[in-house]
Amino acid sequence: DVKVTQSSRYLVKRTGEKVFLECVQDMDHENMFWYRQDPGLGLRLIYFSYDVKMKEKGDIPEGYSVSREKKERFSLILESASTNQTSMYLCASSLRGAEAFFGQGTRLTVV
Amino acid sequence: AQSVTQLGSHVSVSEGALVLLRCNYSSSVPPYLFWYVQYPNQGLQLLLKYTSAATLVKGINGFEAEFKKSETSFHLTKPSAHMSDAAEYFCAVSERGGSYIPTFGRGTSLIVHP
Repeated sequence: DVKVTQSSRYLVKRTGEKVFLECVQDMDHENMFWYRQDPGLGLRLIYFSYDVKMKEKGDIPEGYSVSREKKERFSLILESASTNQTSMYLCASSLRGAEAFFGQGTRLTVV
Repeated sequence: AQSVTQLGSHVSVSEGALVLLRCNYSSSVPPYLFWYVQYPNQGLQLLLKYTSAATLVKGINGFEAEFKKSETSFHLTKPSAHMSDAAEYFCAVSERGGSYIPTFGRGTSLIVHP
């Protein structure tokens, strides 16, 4: 089975902190994604990557950056956390043209 | 550009009743279409997918969906609801030959009454 693992299920951070969310997949997928999920808004794409060191902005990239130094790992970085970034963050990976596989999600609270 | 509209943020059914969750999509090229399910505090799990083979697609847990090009729809159905089907359901589209980035609808919460 494909496994996408997010490093934390729950995180509480303070306003202004730099936050790292880590995601690892074990199936050699080219594509990796970070989504943000908020009630009533569904999943919104923050960033995606289609290869090592390659990244593209999604619909809501402001306040976020990403890093993909190895094919299996895709990190989401909140440069200076703010309370409006309190949300559920979902990482996913896929082969090109195939369905996405999701991690368990990280529920981030910024206080 | 691609988009997904899920009609109804909440759908309530009785146990044993038909489940119908609606999804309409917009895509400038032939699409891939997906339904995912999310249980509380979990990630998304694939229920089924349409990739241009049969228009009636069968998935896990007794769910199925029919691709109707003329109606740009991909509605999800299950003949008889079970209590364990209570969850959030998401429809998604990606464009074949494009970036293959899935775009998701806003989700429909399925409530099952005993």
